[in-house]
Amino acid sequence: AQKITQTQPGMFVQEKEAVTLDCTYDTSDPSYGLFWYKQPSSGEMIFLIYQGSYDQQNATEGRYSLNFQKARKSANLVISASQLGDSAMYFCAMREGLGTSYDKVIFGPGTSLSVIP
Amino acid sequence: DGGITQSPKYLFRKEGQNVTLSCEQNLNHDAMYWYRQDPGQGLRLIYYSQIVNDFQKGDIAEGYSVSREKKESFPLTVTSAQKNPTAFYLCASSISLTPWRSTGELFFGEGSRLTVL
Repeated sequence: AQKITQTQPGMFVQEKEAVTLDCTYDTSDPSYGLFWYKQPSSGEMIFLIYQGSYDQQNATEGRYSLNFQKARKSANLVISASQLGDSAMYFCAMREGLGTSYDKVIFGPGTSLSVIP
Repeated sequence: DGGITQSPKYLFRKEGQNVTLSCEQNLNHDAMYWYRQDPGQGLRLIYYSQIVNDFQKGDIAEGYSVSREKKESFPLTVTSAQKNPTAFYLCASSISLTPWRSTGELFFGEGSRLTVL
């Protein structure tokens, strides 16, 4: 069963507008972490933002914020004031099994974001 | 500079041949991971390791093998048993986490692109 779901294969956003990329996850671990990564066409993986399951406040990093709704198991990425350079694939990821040999990070299928001038 | 080095960047293989992809890190990270990415797809976990001389199968381990004899190194062998090995392979590392220290993103190498002729 898919543990990370990203329901938007492709998204378009006008430059300077905000956009929300959806992510839902499934885990039975009480302690876990949620990440968002950006992958431009060059293939490199760029870390954007992190949210721990026990963090009370939503994470923010510059123009990126993570809308964490624990009860709904959702961790949506919000990009404010989109720029042309934001055009890329975006992956939601979850780390579970913390502190064990089975500590691993799994990724969702990704959302392709295109920013329109 | 600290980082993760993957080699080779591009590799061509004939059907029936084994090939080994190198991954070396000088970040003093305990955890290392191998992912496979097909065009337009997300990252799928092949193998991961939290400690030297120990590793776990990920979601798509069949046809692959790894070793973790040194903390800095986590080579991946794509064997002839892997039916469709043409893909982009990404190696990553991170600090080990516990339920009480759950912040730690993955650092990625630049990837190795394997093509089977």
